[in-house]
Amino acid sequence: GAVVSQHPSRVICKSGTSVKIECRSLDFQATTMFWYRQFPKQSLMLMATSNEGSKATYEQGVEKDKFLINHASLTLSTLTVTSAHPEDSSFYICSAHSDRPSSGNTIYFGEGSWLTVV
Amino acid sequence: QQQVKQSPQSLIVQKGGISIINCAYENTAFDYFPWYQQFPGKGPALLIAIRPDVSEKKEGRFTISFNKSAKQFSLHIMDSQPGDSATYFCAASLSGTYKYIFGTGTRLKVLA
Repeated sequence: GAVVSQHPSRVICKSGTSVKIECRSLDFQATTMFWYRQFPKQSLMLMATSNEGSKATYEQGVEKDKFLINHASLTLSTLTVTSAHPEDSSFYICSAHSDRPSSGNTIYFGEGSWLTVV
Repeated sequence: QQQVKQSPQSLIVQKGGISIINCAYENTAFDYFPWYQQFPGKGPALLIAIRPDVSEKKEGRFTISFNKSAKQFSLHIMDSQPGDSATYFCAASLSGTYKYIFGTGTRLKVLA
Protein backbone atom coordinates (compact mmCIF):
# COMPACT_ATOMS: atom_id res chain seq x y z
CA GLY A 1 0.00 0.00 0.00
CA ALA A 2 0.89 3.65 -0.20
CA VAL A 3 3.31 4.91 2.39
CA VAL A 4 4.16 8.41 3.46
CA SER A 5 7.33 8.89 5.46
CA GLN A 6 8.27 11.81 7.68
CA HIS A 7 11.69 12.73 8.98
CA PRO A 8 12.69 13.37 11.66
CA SER A 9 10.16 11.65 13.88
CA ARG A 10 11.34 13.73 16.85
CA VAL A 11 13.39 16.89 16.98
CA ILE A 12 14.39 19.26 19.72
CA CYS A 13 15.64 22.69 18.78
CA LYS A 14 16.61 25.86 20.57
CA SER A 15 14.36 28.87 20.55
CA GLY A 16 15.17 31.16 17.65
CA THR A 17 16.56 28.49 15.38
CA SER A 18 14.95 26.92 12.32
CA VAL A 19 14.05 23.29 11.82
CA LYS A 20 13.11 21.39 8.69
CA ILE A 21 10.69 18.46 8.51
CA GLU A 22 10.55 16.26 5.42
CA CYS A 23 7.56 14.43 4.01
CA ARG A 24 8.10 11.80 1.34
CA SER A 25 5.70 9.66 -0.60
CA LEU A 26 7.55 6.38 -0.94
CA ASP A 27 5.74 4.49 -3.68
CA PHE A 28 3.60 7.04 -5.44
CA GLN A 29 3.76 10.52 -6.86
CA ALA A 30 1.95 13.26 -5.02
CA THR A 31 1.18 16.52 -6.76
CA THR A 32 -0.48 17.70 -3.59
CA MET A 33 0.60 17.25 -0.01
CA PHE A 34 -0.84 18.73 3.16
CA TRP A 35 0.65 19.84 6.45
CA TYR A 36 -1.26 19.58 9.70
CA ARG A 37 -0.46 20.56 13.24
CA GLN A 38 -1.81 18.72 16.23
CA PHE A 39 -1.45 19.88 19.82
CA PRO A 40 -1.72 17.27 22.58
CA LYS A 41 -5.19 15.78 22.90
CA GLN A 42 -6.51 18.03 20.17
CA SER A 43 -7.59 17.55 16.59
CA LEU A 44 -5.55 17.94 13.44
CA MET A 45 -5.57 21.47 12.09
CA LEU A 46 -4.72 22.00 8.43
CA MET A 47 -1.88 24.47 8.07
CA ALA A 48 -1.25 24.53 4.34
CA THR A 49 -1.56 22.76 1.04
CA SER A 50 1.73 22.04 -0.66
CA ASN A 51 1.62 22.06 -4.45
CA GLU A 52 4.46 20.61 -6.51
CA GLY A 53 6.17 23.30 -8.53
CA SER A 54 4.16 26.19 -7.14
CA LYS A 55 3.61 28.15 -3.98
CA ALA A 56 1.89 26.60 -1.03
CA THR A 57 -1.60 27.68 -0.05
CA TYR A 58 -1.86 28.60 3.60
CA GLU A 59 -4.93 28.39 5.80
CA GLN A 60 -6.21 31.48 7.52
CA GLY A 61 -4.14 32.41 10.53
CA VAL A 62 -1.03 30.46 9.50
CA GLU A 63 2.04 32.65 8.98
CA LYS A 64 3.57 31.77 5.63
CA ASP A 65 6.87 33.45 6.50
CA LYS A 66 7.18 31.38 9.64
CA PHE A 67 6.17 28.04 8.19
CA LEU A 68 8.02 27.74 4.90
CA ILE A 69 6.83 24.98 2.61
CA ASN A 70 8.70 23.69 -0.39
CA HIS A 71 7.41 20.99 -2.74
CA ALA A 72 10.31 20.65 -5.13
CA SER A 73 9.54 17.18 -6.45
CA LEU A 74 6.57 14.87 -6.84
CA THR A 75 7.66 12.83 -3.83
CA LEU A 76 8.98 15.38 -1.37
CA SER A 77 7.56 18.30 0.55
CA THR A 78 9.38 20.09 3.34
CA LEU A 79 8.13 22.25 6.18
CA THR A 80 10.60 24.63 7.76
CA VAL A 81 9.67 26.25 11.04
CA THR A 82 11.68 29.45 11.15
CA SER A 83 12.69 31.29 14.30
CA ALA A 84 11.02 28.63 16.37
CA HIS A 85 9.48 29.48 19.72
CA PRO A 86 8.27 27.18 22.51
CA GLU A 87 4.65 27.73 21.41
CA ASP A 88 5.55 26.10 18.08
CA SER A 89 6.14 22.84 19.93
CA SER A 90 3.63 20.43 18.46
CA PHE A 91 3.07 17.27 16.45
CA TYR A 92 3.37 18.05 12.75
CA ILE A 93 1.77 15.59 10.34
CA CYS A 94 1.87 15.54 6.58
CA SER A 95 -0.44 13.78 4.19
CA ALA A 96 -0.36 13.12 0.51
CA HIS A 97 -2.83 12.36 -2.21
CA SER A 98 -1.77 9.72 -4.69
CA ASP A 99 -2.02 10.70 -8.33
CA ARG A 100 -3.06 7.14 -9.20
CA PRO A 101 -6.67 7.17 -10.49
CA SER A 102 -7.46 4.10 -8.42
CA SER A 103 -6.73 5.99 -5.22
CA GLY A 104 -9.84 8.14 -5.44
CA ASN A 105 -10.04 10.64 -2.59
CA THR A 106 -7.78 8.62 -0.32
CA ILE A 107 -5.22 10.60 1.61
CA TYR A 108 -2.25 8.86 3.19
CA PHE A 109 -0.80 10.26 6.37
CA GLY A 110 2.74 10.22 7.62
CA GLU A 111 3.70 9.07 11.10
CA GLY A 112 4.15 12.64 12.29
CA SER A 113 7.07 14.64 13.63
CA TRP A 114 7.29 15.80 17.23
CA LEU A 115 8.86 19.22 17.52
CA THR A 116 9.98 20.49 20.89
CA VAL A 117 11.38 24.00 21.10
CA VAL A 118 13.37 24.71 24.25
CA GLN B 1 -19.83 26.04 7.91
CA GLN B 2 -16.42 24.47 7.72
CA GLN B 3 -16.72 22.70 11.07
CA VAL B 4 -17.28 19.05 11.68
CA LYS B 5 -18.73 18.41 15.13
CA GLN B 6 -17.87 15.13 16.80
CA SER B 7 -19.23 13.45 19.90
CA PRO B 8 -18.67 12.08 22.43
CA GLN B 9 -15.31 13.46 23.45
CA SER B 10 -14.51 10.23 25.25
CA LEU B 11 -16.08 6.81 25.39
CA ILE B 12 -15.60 3.75 27.55
CA VAL B 13 -16.94 0.43 26.30
CA GLN B 14 -16.74 -3.09 27.62
CA LYS B 15 -14.97 -5.71 25.52
CA GLY B 16 -17.40 -7.15 23.02
CA GLY B 17 -19.65 -4.11 23.13
CA ILE B 18 -20.55 -1.66 20.39
CA SER B 19 -18.76 1.69 20.20
CA ILE B 20 -20.68 4.47 18.50
CA ILE B 21 -19.19 7.82 17.54
CA ASN B 22 -21.18 10.57 15.87
CA CYS B 23 -20.32 13.46 13.59
CA ALA B 24 -22.33 16.29 12.09
CA TYR B 25 -21.54 18.85 9.43
CA GLU B 26 -23.13 21.93 7.90
CA ASN B 27 -21.49 22.39 4.53
CA THR B 28 -23.36 20.45 1.85
CA ALA B 29 -20.33 20.79 -0.41
CA PHE B 30 -18.59 18.06 1.57
CA ASP B 31 -18.69 14.89 -0.46
CA TYR B 32 -16.31 12.45 1.18
CA PHE B 33 -16.35 11.34 4.80
CA PRO B 34 -13.49 9.22 6.15
CA TRP B 35 -12.84 7.95 9.64
CA TYR B 36 -9.33 7.78 11.02
CA GLN B 37 -7.83 5.92 13.97
CA GLN B 38 -4.88 7.39 15.79
CA PHE B 39 -2.70 5.81 18.44
CA PRO B 40 -0.61 8.03 20.75
CA GLY B 41 2.42 9.49 18.99
CA LYS B 42 1.40 8.11 15.60
CA GLY B 43 -0.13 9.54 12.50
CA PRO B 44 -3.80 8.84 11.74
CA ALA B 45 -4.66 5.70 9.79
CA LEU B 46 -7.67 5.42 7.50
CA LEU B 47 -10.34 3.03 8.80
CA ILE B 48 -13.26 3.42 6.47
CA ALA B 49 -14.85 6.12 4.32
CA ILE B 50 -18.18 6.87 2.69
CA ARG B 51 -19.72 9.15 0.08
CA PRO B 52 -23.16 10.81 0.41
CA ASP B 53 -24.80 8.59 -2.19
CA VAL B 54 -24.54 5.61 0.17
CA SER B 55 -26.38 5.30 3.48
CA GLU B 56 -24.22 2.60 5.01
CA LYS B 57 -20.86 0.99 4.45
CA LYS B 58 -19.43 -1.95 6.34
CA GLU B 59 -15.86 -3.23 6.47
CA GLY B 60 -15.24 -5.97 8.97
CA ARG B 61 -16.22 -4.76 12.44
CA PHE B 62 -16.46 -1.13 11.28
CA THR B 63 -19.65 0.38 9.86
CA ILE B 64 -20.39 3.92 8.76
CA SER B 65 -24.01 5.06 8.80
CA PHE B 66 -24.73 8.19 6.77
CA ASN B 67 -27.82 10.39 6.98
CA LYS B 68 -27.62 12.95 4.20
CA SER B 69 -30.77 14.86 5.10
CA ALA B 70 -29.66 15.26 8.71
CA LYS B 71 -26.06 15.91 7.66
CA GLN B 72 -24.84 13.36 10.16
CA PHE B 73 -22.70 10.27 10.00
CA SER B 74 -21.54 7.80 12.56
CA LEU B 75 -18.98 5.08 13.12
CA HIS B 76 -20.00 1.82 14.74
CA ILE B 77 -17.35 -0.56 16.02
CA MET B 78 -18.85 -3.97 16.62
CA ASP B 79 -17.37 -6.47 19.09
CA SER B 80 -15.04 -3.77 20.44
CA GLN B 81 -11.63 -5.03 21.57
CA PRO B 82 -9.01 -3.53 23.90
CA GLY B 83 -6.78 -3.09 20.85
CA ASP B 84 -9.37 -0.67 19.47
CA SER B 85 -8.53 1.76 22.27
CA ALA B 86 -7.37 4.85 20.41
CA THR B 87 -8.55 8.28 19.33
CA TYR B 88 -10.96 8.34 16.42
CA PHE B 89 -11.43 11.28 14.10
CA CYS B 90 -14.14 11.83 11.56
CA ALA B 91 -13.34 14.10 8.66
CA ALA B 92 -14.99 15.70 5.68
CA SER B 93 -13.56 16.67 2.34
CA LEU B 94 -14.79 19.42 0.09
CA SER B 95 -15.85 18.41 -3.40
CA GLY B 96 -12.98 18.75 -5.84
CA THR B 97 -10.31 19.05 -3.16
CA TYR B 98 -8.38 16.72 -0.92
CA LYS B 99 -8.46 19.08 2.04
CA TYR B 100 -9.78 17.37 5.12
CA ILE B 101 -11.64 19.11 7.91
CA PHE B 102 -11.32 16.97 11.02
CA GLY B 103 -13.70 16.52 13.90
CA THR B 104 -12.47 17.12 17.43
CA GLY B 105 -11.77 13.46 18.11
CA THR B 106 -13.14 10.76 20.41
CA ARG B 107 -10.91 8.94 22.84
CA LEU B 108 -12.13 5.37 23.02
CA LYS B 109 -11.17 3.00 25.77
CA VAL B 110 -12.26 -0.61 25.58
CA LEU B 111 -12.10 -2.40 28.90
CA ALA B 112 -10.81 -5.95 28.93
